[in-house]
Amino acid sequence: GNSVTQMEGPVTLSEEAFLTINCTYTATGYPSLFWYVQYPGEGLQLLLKATKADDKGSNKGFEATYRKETTSFHLEKGSVQVSDSAVYFCALSPSSASKIIFGSGTRLSIRP
Amino acid sequence: GAGVSQTPSNKVTEKGKYVELRCDPISGHTALYWYRQSLGQGPEFLIYFQGTGAADDSGLPNDRFFAVRPEGSVSTLKIQRTERGDSAVYLCASSLDWGNEQFFGPGTRLTVL
Repeated sequence: GNSVTQMEGPVTLSEEAFLTINCTYTATGYPSLFWYVQYPGEGLQLLLKATKADDKGSNKGFEATYRKETTSFHLEKGSVQVSDSAVYFCALSPSSASKIIFGSGTRLSIRP
Repeated sequence: GAGVSQTPSNKVTEKGKYVELRCDPISGHTALYWYRQSLGQGPEFLIYFQGTGAADDSGLPNDRFFAVRPEGSVSTLKIQRTERGDSAVYLCASSLDWGNEQFFGPGTRLTVL
């Protein structure tokens, strides 16, 4: 079946630190991969996506590369800010379906 | 423009009661989705509508859960004989069409006492 496993949190970093949140997936076919973010008190929003192998999604300084050989889609940012504090969800959409399958989320806290 | 809206924002009910949760998608979006998010977990897919019809209801946990979208716009998720395990945040999302980006609403927090 289809599933997503992501790094458990919480993750606490100092401002300007390098961030990696690991994500691996299991899927049949060629899924699309996503990172969603949920800021405190706000709804879920799409951060970035990649639709095929070796694609790199990027937004707001965050990047993730679709690695089919390792079935991974790790989220990275070179220098985090306090405003990046949120819950991050790795997710996939199977190639033959429209639904999204989410990981359990990683809470990120950035110290000033 | 207006995003996806959901009402009520909070609903507290007693075990065994019936509840209805409403979703207003973004105008013009033909696809509508319901998800359920339990505390500390990611959202879980429940059902997907394309227009008025349920194209995929494989995520509905049992026959106490039912959803409708009679005119292809507003959708209502209905839960009969609620149980404490139904307590969660119910999220609605809409997209322009199949495969397009899904935009999520703020959710309805359901608490079953």
